[in-house]
Amino acid sequence: EAGVAQSPRYKIIEKRQSVAFWCNPISGHATLYWYQQILGQGPKLLIQFQNNGVVDDSQLPKDRFSAERLKGVDSTLKIQPAKLEDSAVYLCASSLTGVEGYTFGSGTRLTVV
Amino acid sequence: KQEVTQIPAALSVPEGENLVLNCSFTDSAIYNLQWFRQDPGKGLTSLLLIQSSQREQTSGRLNASLDKSSGRSTLYIAASQPGDSATYLCAVDTWGKLQFGAGTQVVVTP
Repeated sequence: EAGVAQSPRYKIIEKRQSVAFWCNPISGHATLYWYQQILGQGPKLLIQFQNNGVVDDSQLPKDRFSAERLKGVDSTLKIQPAKLEDSAVYLCASSLTGVEGYTFGSGTRLTVV
Repeated sequence: KQEVTQIPAALSVPEGENLVLNCSFTDSAIYNLQWFRQDPGKGLTSLLLIQSSQREQTSGRLNASLDKSSGRSTLYIAASQPGDSATYLCAVDTWGKLQFGAGTQVVVTP
């Protein structure tokens, strides 16, 4: 089966600019997650979708981050305006039920200068 | 709140030695535990998934054990190779949410 697709692979922007990341999960996977991984740390959950509804966005900085999952398939994560501390790898993951584990995409490395 | 700790933070071994990576978690009410490998600048590759009812899982040179009652998991990598150099992350699924440790950075020297 095809894996979790993410784009772009790399992005460099200036602070205060906006950026968007795209994720296409494994076909049929109802649950989609966005994680932020700062260098040297483990990934931190930003938002969890079940189909096209938000299950948990408690750690999403809502003043600058937004995410949507239209039609319960692919998803977009946006940052506006970006700050230097947003420099990180943004990982998308999906799962069918959670019991079978999670599959991650290759991630998007964001550098804010 | 679930907290996941990985020790050691970094490990360097000569080729051929066995690797032992440790993971501990504070809340034993888990669905499963998953070990991942991450190469520099890349995404996460799943290595092993252990369900909460299981004690261990094996795949090739990799073996992972789970002791839910004590909140511990150990990943063993037998006969290490330079290609095993990477960061290894432990993640615990608690109530449908995956909580990660900070990882163990492994370097295997030829």
